[in-house]
Amino acid sequence: DTGVSQDPRHKITKRGQNVTFRCDPISEHNRLYWYRQTLGQGPEFLTYFQNEAQLEKSRLLSDRFSAERPKGSFSTLEIQRTEQGDSAMYLCASSYSANTEAFFGQGTRLTVV
Amino acid sequence: DQQVKQNSPSLSVQEGRISILNCDYTNSMFDYFLWYKKYPAEGPTFLISISSIKDKNEDGRFTVFLNKSAKHLSLHIVPSQPGDSAVYFCAASSGNTPLVFGKGTRLSVIA
Repeated sequence: DTGVSQDPRHKITKRGQNVTFRCDPISEHNRLYWYRQTLGQGPEFLTYFQNEAQLEKSRLLSDRFSAERPKGSFSTLEIQRTEQGDSAMYLCASSYSANTEAFFGQGTRLTVV
Repeated sequence: DQQVKQNSPSLSVQEGRISILNCDYTNSMFDYFLWYKKYPAEGPTFLISISSIKDKNEDGRFTVFLNKSAKHLSLHIVPSQPGDSAVYFCAASSGNTPLVFGKGTRLSVIA
């Protein structure tokens, strides 16, 4: 297993378009997290899954954002009607359980023009 | 309300000397703490962690110290190397909650 994988690495989209990102976690990890990072900030929590169940969503996750983790394996994060304020690095992480280290993917850099 | 604070945005250290990065937290329920290193255009890389039942954890050149009464933790890197130059994030969690991150400290190790 090569770690957490995210696709694409970079995405440029026009305002108003929909985008979808994919995350493949470390295979034996039950937990999967989505974070967003902007310049000068630390990663900000968006949502997380325990297996296929979405357990928590941040207030940052507006109704234009939706995340899924079908069958408890890979996850997708979709942003509808993108806005310039959505431009950020979107990070996925996975961990075996609560209170264990989370391992991050390389991130997807989204630029909305 | 920022629950994890890294008050020093940047730090410069000479190669071979000790780097000390600091982190304060406000949520007394936090019981698990981690440090991550991040290079530009990459995801954070896990460095070292400590649970609240300990006050020190060491891994090679990296040592994390936890002072629960002060709600403070620190990461010591000794000796510092140019390859350690990166942004370091402190993170904390409690029970089932996801990790909460600080804003990071940019470490520059000067040869």
